Amino acid sequence: GAVVSQHPSRVICKSGTSVKIECRSLDFQATTMFWYRQFPKQSLMLMATSNEGSKATYEQGVEKDKFLINHASLTLSTLTVTSAHPEDSSFYICSARSQQGNNSPLHFGNGTRLTVT
Amino acid sequence: SQQGEEDPQALSIQEGENATMNCSYKTSINNLQWYRQNSGRGLVHLILIRSNEREKHSGRLRVTLDTSKKSSSLLITASRAADTASYFCATDANDYKLSFGAGTTVTVRA
Repeated sequence: GAVVSQHPSRVICKSGTSVKIECRSLDFQATTMFWYRQFPKQSLMLMATSNEGSKATYEQGVEKDKFLINHASLTLSTLTVTSAHPEDSSFYICSARSQQGNNSPLHFGNGTRLTVT
Repeated sequence: SQQGEEDPQALSIQEGENATMNCSYKTSINNLQWYRQNSGRGLVHLILIRSNEREKHSGRLRVTLDTSKKSSSLLITASRAADTASYFCATDANDYKLSFGAGTTVTVRA
């Protein structure tokens, strides 16, 4: 089955530093990847849609200069949390579709637990 | 934005019992999907039901969809301890993005 690998699984950083999270599709190509954020015991909130070779599309209220997304190849998207603050601490999850068309499921990475101290 | 509302928020059942959870949504959809999330992990796709389908089965899972009521249900039969997880419905409104519900946390007691 389609596999999405996300790295790192956990990261602790100091306030003011930047953190990069990688999302790779291991056995399929993904022109589009999705980045979600999840607070404890809450649902997933879509942050942005990552498009290979073009700019990401951000959801309302998500700062594009704060959450930098790069989708340089068909198998890799990265999310960089810049100048992280404690309120950025959260669980970040990426996902992608292995098939074209929207009647296909999303495949999720295992998420990255970010803790900003 | 979050579209689905799930009910109940939490469910505790005995192993072997059935678990039912419901999802309601607000706008027209292309399909509705159910996912499972184990604690601290990513989501795993369970089942997708298209807007022109009313019922779908996959192993011990049964999903129904009522587009007139804008609601769906997920039934897990003969539950096992390994079914303990959070379950989310997600709607696809034909814009390639999924909107997730708040989730139902299911605990299966041995």
